Amino acid sequence: EDQVTQSPEALRLQEGESSSLNCSYTVSGLRGLFWYRQDPGKGPEFLFTLYSAGEEKEKERLKATLTKKESFLHITAPKPEDSATYLCAVQAGYAGNNRKLIWGLGTSLAVNP
Amino acid sequence: DAGVIQSPRHEVTEMGQEVTLRCKPISGHNSLFWYRQTMMRGLELLIYFNNNVPIDDSGMPEDRFSAKMPNASFSTLKIQPSEPRDSAVYFCASSLRFSAASESTGELFFGEGSRLTVL
Repeated sequence: EDQVTQSPEALRLQEGESSSLNCSYTVSGLRGLFWYRQDPGKGPEFLFTLYSAGEEKEKERLKATLTKKESFLHITAPKPEDSATYLCAVQAGYAGNNRKLIWGLGTSLAVNP
Repeated sequence: DAGVIQSPRHEVTEMGQEVTLRCKPISGHNSLFWYRQTMMRGLELLIYFNNNVPIDDSGMPEDRFSAKMPNASFSTLKIQPSEPRDSAVYFCASSLRFSAASESTGELFFGEGSRLTVL
């Protein structure tokens, strides 16, 4: 069964303290892995798409990497405004699944000033 | 662009009542999704449409749920009758490219959600 697991469930950092969030997945034929950010009371906001192992994407203090089994979202020198829930989703590439996204439960990140 | 617009933002109703949630997707987007989010289960896809046609409704919990997309700029999700276990945040999202025949960026644009509480 296709599955996405994110860890840790919650993470509290001091401003400037770098860390990584993990998204591990089991899926038949990965078509893409996606990272989203969700602020309280808002809908998820798209961050990155990764298609193949070894690929990396960067945006400001965030860097996403992908292996054949997992993805990491590295946060370098975080600021309080990076506080949010980070969601990971995968899309399987096999026929018949209608290309649905399979979502993890997210990591809730709090960055203290 | 105004983004995906959902209404109402909050709905409190009593068990057995009919609930209708509304969504206006981003103009030009050809795919529309209805999701439900809870703490325990996270984001669950209920149904999605391509070019106003329902493609996959396997996530609709039961016959009490129905969704329509009469045109490219409007969709509804209806729950009748509502039950307390339906309490959740319901999100609508739209996308420019999400058909099975084309490469997808996986970039969905979400509305701010409708928080439903069924007493």
